[in-house]
Amino acid sequence: SAVISQKPSRDICQRGTSLTIQCQVDSQVTMMFWYRQQPGQSLTLIATANQGSEATYESGFVIDKFPISRPNLTFSTLTVSNMSPEDSSIYLCSVDGDVDTDTQYFGPGTRLTVL
Amino acid sequence: QKEVEQNSGPLSVPEGAIASLNCTYSDRVSQSFFWYRQYSGKSPELIMSIYSNGDKEDGRFTAQLNKASQYVSLLIRDSQPSDSATYLCASLSKGGSQGNLIFGKGTKLSVKP
Repeated sequence: SAVISQKPSRDICQRGTSLTIQCQVDSQVTMMFWYRQQPGQSLTLIATANQGSEATYESGFVIDKFPISRPNLTFSTLTVSNMSPEDSSIYLCSVDGDVDTDTQYFGPGTRLTVL
Repeated sequence: QKEVEQNSGPLSVPEGAIASLNCTYSDRVSQSFFWYRQYSGKSPELIMSIYSNGDKEDGRFTAQLNKASQYVSLLIRDSQPSDSATYLCASLSKGGSQGNLIFGKGTKLSVKP
């Protein structure tokens, strides 16, 4: 499976600021996904990022709040904008491991705390 | 709304026993199912995938799928303390050309030495 890294691994931010999270993969992948895992909860898909097109957002998530870039087949960024304490979560990127089997593999995550 | 349901636990089993984790899903057209293991403070790690009715074995792990009952399970044989983690069940819901993993809330497993 692909090796996935995320930066930063954790951050503490002030209310009203923005944070950009980077996801880097060691091989080219078609699809990259961004998930949120709030404290004590399971994972919720924020959006799907395909190279060369606009990200597709899930219900409840909007581009103004979570802008995403996908400049090439190995890299994506997620920005959490105008943060509030409710944005405190773990943010995870994942990649499709094998289109035939629909598997997804996750990066190590970014633990965000908003004060 | 498409949902995946799991008993949150905690499920406590003695070392060497069989741990049985269960999951139901609401989207009847889901075709792909996954079990992820998540240690505290870590990201989910894929341990099993299953696509057809019946059993699929991989080492100490066996996944079972019953599409008629919309039920997925994971058996862990000879449970070890290192198996203590939260186990997430996920189904793949395809919308258009993209896949969206729907996760359950996870079952916390504790294996006692």
